[in-house]
Parts: sequence; C-alpha cells; structure tokens
Amino acid sequence: SQKIEQNSEALNIQEGKTATLTCNYTNYSPAYLQWYRQDPGRGPVFLLLIRENEKEKRKERLKVTFDTTLKQSLFHITASQPADSATYLCALSRGGATNKLIFGTGTLLAVQP
Amino acid sequence: DADVTQTPRNRITKTGKRIMLECSQTKGHDRMYWYRQDPGLGLRLIYYSFDVKDINKGEISDGYSVSRQAQAKFSLSLESAIPNQTALYFCATSASGSYNEQFFGPGTRLTVL
Repeated sequence: SQKIEQNSEALNIQEGKTATLTCNYTNYSPAYLQWYRQDPGRGPVFLLLIRENEKEKRKERLKVTFDTTLKQSLFHITASQPADSATYLCALSRGGATNKLIFGTGTLLAVQP
Repeated sequence: DADVTQTPRNRITKTGKRIMLECSQTKGHDRMYWYRQDPGLGLRLIYYSFDVKDINKGEISDGYSVSRQAQAKFSLSLESAIPNQTALYFCATSASGSYNEQFFGPGTRLTVL
C-alpha cells in the first residue's frame, strides 16, 4: 500500500542555520507534491507546490526539491528563525479528476534562539 | 473574517450521541473536504465534495456521513459517536482543477467519552 514517511522525531536547530526536512514515499506516483505548515491548534497552511517534472522550487527563504527516482522531496528553510518553529506536512497527489491529497504525519521543527 | 470557519471549535460528547460539525467558506470554491487528524497518523480524508450534487467517500468514511447544503456549506455528522472518533477534525476547500492548494479551517476538537 502507499506510504508517506516524514521524520517522526523533532528537528532541533539553531537560529540562522538551514533546516532540512525529508518526505519519502513508496508505492505511489505523484503528479505533484505540496508542503504545508501547521501551528499548534490551527489548520495547515499551504507553503509550496512542486510538480513531478520540476526539480526545484523556491519562495523567499523556502526551497523544495523533488526527486521522482529517489521518491523523495526535501524542504529547506534557510536562515531559520524561532518563528519558523512548527510542524511541516508534505502531501502528495496523483492529480487528475479527483486531485485528492495524501498527507504525511509531519515533522516538528524547533528553532532555538 | 476567516475564509473557512468551523463550528463548534470544541465539543465533548458521550458514546452513542449524534454530532454534527459544520463548515462554511467564503472563498467561492467548489471543492470541500473533511479530514481527521490523530497523533502519529496524520491527516486522513473522510469525505469530499466537488459540488453541491457530488459527494465522495474518502479513506475512512465508516461511521460518518456528510451533507453539502450549498456551495459554501459542508457538514459532517457522526450518527452514533464512539470513543475512537475522538480526534481533531478539519474542513478544507480548494478551487477546481489540478495543482490547487487546500485552505483549511481552524479545526474542531471532538472528544467522545
């Protein structure tokens, strides 16, 4: 069955460093992948989308890569700040008529001042 | 005002009771979704609707039903609540077509005793 894996352990980094979060998947061929941020007690908020034919996408301090051979996406936050502390979710979709998303369990990022 | 609203935000109920969670959106989106989130399991899709006359089951629809009363309103019902339905419930919307992000409501924390 399809499976999406994100680091279950929290990622702790120092302010100013680059945070790198991993999303691996198996038994799935996504048309695109999305990353969301979720703060405690709130709904997820969309950050970035990357399509299967794209290798890399950037938005301000955020960068996403997508390797369909390795079945992996990496999410980078450069010059991290304590305000970046949150849970980050990856979500995959085959696109098409239904366009449903399948979510990973998320990785908690804690940026220490 | 928030684009996607959910009521109630918190609810404690007893086993066997009927519960309705409501979702409203002002984004003008055709597509609406209901998810539940459990620790360690991530977001899982319960039901989704692509327009007022279209209702589809997600991966965990057993024990739930939905109603799309209008383009802007999508309700989730638990006909006879059971303790393992204790979870955080999110409503989401998206525009039609592929590659569109989902916009989430603030969530409803439901506890079934």
